Amino acid sequence: AQSVSQHNHHVILSEAASLELGCNYSYGGTVNLFWYVQYPGQHLQLLLKYFSGDPLVKGIKGFEAEFIKSKFSFNLRKPSVQWSDTAEYFCAVNGGTYKYIFGTGTRLKVLA
Amino acid sequence: AAGVIQSPRHLIKEKRETATLKCYPIPRHDTVYWYQQGPGQDPQFLISFYEKMQSDKGSIPDRFSAQQFSDYHSELNMSSLELGDSALYFCASSLQGASGNTIYFGEGSWLTVV
Repeated sequence: AQSVSQHNHHVILSEAASLELGCNYSYGGTVNLFWYVQYPGQHLQLLLKYFSGDPLVKGIKGFEAEFIKSKFSFNLRKPSVQWSDTAEYFCAVNGGTYKYIFGTGTRLKVLA
Repeated sequence: AAGVIQSPRHLIKEKRETATLKCYPIPRHDTVYWYQQGPGQDPQFLISFYEKMQSDKGSIPDRFSAQQFSDYHSELNMSSLELGDSALYFCASSLQGASGNTIYFGEGSWLTVV
């Protein structure tokens, strides 16, 4: 069955610390991969996406993610987090169909 | 740029009542998705439509129905509401075949069932 796993449910960091959020997926075909961010009380916003080409993709607000096909992973990174990055982050997979599968989310809290 | 528009933004209903949520996709997008996000939970896929036909079905209760109209807007109809239906309902849209089928979310409709 298709699934997305986000291993860290809660992450607490100090400002300027580096961030890496794990995302692994289970899918037996070509996939499109996404990271969405949900700030408190707001809707899901697209951070970045991968569907072909360079496996290292850069998104908004200094985020990047690397697709490693052999590891079925699409980890999100940011070299230096800010207080304003406090939010919940969702990894999502789409296998070219109409259904997106979301991970359970990682709540990031950045301490000022 | 135009985004996905949802209405109403907030809705309070009593148990056993009916509610209708509306979604207007990004212009030229042909696919609409509905998601339900309970408090502290991840978004759960309910149903999607492509070119006005149901394209996929997720964990949508039988009490719920949805459709996509000729102008591509979609409505989610929820009947016999239960307390557990209280959630944030997201609509999203995409253009099939474009940019990896990236979906863009609306701001959601908060449904509270009392």
